[in-house]
Amino acid sequence: EAQVTQNPRYLITVTGKKLTVTCSQNMNHEYMSWYRQDPGLGLRQIYYSMNVEVTDKGDVPEGYKVSRKEKRNFPLILESPSPNQTSLYFCASRPVGVSWYNEQFFGPGTRLTVL
Amino acid sequence: LAKTTQPISMDSYEGQEVNITCSHNNIATNDYITWYQQFPSQGPRFIIQGYKTKVTNEVASLFIPADRKSSTLSLPRVSLSDTAVYYCLVGDREGRRALTFGSGTRLQVQP
Repeated sequence: EAQVTQNPRYLITVTGKKLTVTCSQNMNHEYMSWYRQDPGLGLRQIYYSMNVEVTDKGDVPEGYKVSRKEKRNFPLILESPSPNQTSLYFCASRPVGVSWYNEQFFGPGTRLTVL
Repeated sequence: LAKTTQPISMDSYEGQEVNITCSHNNIATNDYITWYQQFPSQGPRFIIQGYKTKVTNEVASLFIPADRKSSTLSLPRVSLSDTAVYYCLVGDREGRRALTFGSGTRLQVQP
């Protein structure tokens, strides 16, 4: 089944404790992206990647890191989480260079709470 | 970045047609307009995409005027299961610029 998976789905952590949220897609998509969703603010893009070893900042990159060493994986790293990073996080992917330019496929989401 | 503005919420009844308008005044020449649907606790799901004029698929139509500064998502004969948040997104074809979702429009369909 074609899908985007995220792990963990739920995470409660404490301020300053480094964490990684993994994202993996099995559709051979070049483009991958991370979003956070907060009440009243919709989805805001954190980072995106056009392909392996190519990453760029989105609207709200502060406090986050990403890497794209393999095409299928795009982990989101919080080196020193803070309470204002408590949010619902979505990973998404899409192919590049085909008809549906912006048809992104989203993962199920990761709900992160930083105490 | 092309910023989008949508109504915060809309109400409708089953069987009615619903039109949700999105404003994107600074859309760039090579930007496309895409609409997504999101149910609670799920990731957004692609509905429709267009560049200009009208696009129709099996679930919706998208109307884009000549100046492309706005677009309207039309949902024919909505049902209770269409209750969701609808997002308008403007982005370039290759995805080389960051994408900005608006705050979305919460559609509530009543029986």
